[in-house]
Amino acid sequence: AQTVTQSQPEMSVQEAETVTLSCTYDTSENNYYLFWYKQPPSRQMILVIRQEAYKQQNATENRFSVNFQKAAKSFSLKISDSQLGDTAMYFCAWMNRDDKIIFGKGTRLHILP
Amino acid sequence: NAGVMQNPRHLVRRRGQEARLRCSPMKGHSHVYWYRQLPEEGLKFMVYLQKENIIDESGMPKERFSAEFPKEGPSILRIQQVVRGDSAAYFCASSPQKNEQYFGPGTRLTVT
Repeated sequence: AQTVTQSQPEMSVQEAETVTLSCTYDTSENNYYLFWYKQPPSRQMILVIRQEAYKQQNATENRFSVNFQKAAKSFSLKISDSQLGDTAMYFCAWMNRDDKIIFGKGTRLHILP
Repeated sequence: NAGVMQNPRHLVRRRGQEARLRCSPMKGHSHVYWYRQLPEEGLKFMVYLQKENIIDESGMPKERFSAEFPKEGPSILRIQQVVRGDSAAYFCASSPQKNEQYFGPGTRLTVT
C-alpha cells in the first residue's frame, strides 16, 4: 500500500529564513504525481507545488522549490525568504493514475516575526 | 471562474440525524472527489465520482455513508444516523481531467 510520511510534526523558523520540510513516500509504481498543499487557519487546501515523477527537473514556484529524489522516494519542500503568511499546515501528497490522493499527516510550520 | 463551492461551511447535527454535504465543482469539471480530515490528521480519500457514476468508493465506510453526482446539480455526500466519530472536515475536490484536483473550502461537521 502507498504511504506518505512527514517526519516533522511541527517546525518554527524566523521570518526571512529558509526552511525545508521533509517527506518520504512508498510506492511500487513508476508513474505518479507528488504535491505539497498548504492549509492555513482558514482550512482551505491550497496547492503549493506539483511534481511529475517522470520529470527529473525539480519543480519551482517562486519562493517554493522541491528536492525530488525518485530513487530514495523523497520529496522535500524548501521555502526561501519565509514570510509570516507562510504559517500553516503543510501536507505532502502522492497521486497515481487512478487519481486517488494519499496525504501525509502534515507539518505545522510557524514563521516567527 | 468560481472555485469549488461547498455548503454548508459548518453543520451541526445531533447523534442519529442525517447530514447532507453539497459540492458544486468548478465549471467544466466532471470529476468529483470527497475526502475526510479528522482533527490533526491529513485528508483521507473517500470516494471518486463522475457524472451519474461512482468510479471508486474504496475509502467510504460500508454503512451510513453514500455519495452521488447527478447529471444536474451538485454532488452530495450523505451521512445517515450520524455518530460523534463522524465529526470532521469534509473536503470536495473537482478536476477537469486526470491528475489535477482543486479543493473546496470544506464543510466542518460537528456531531453533538
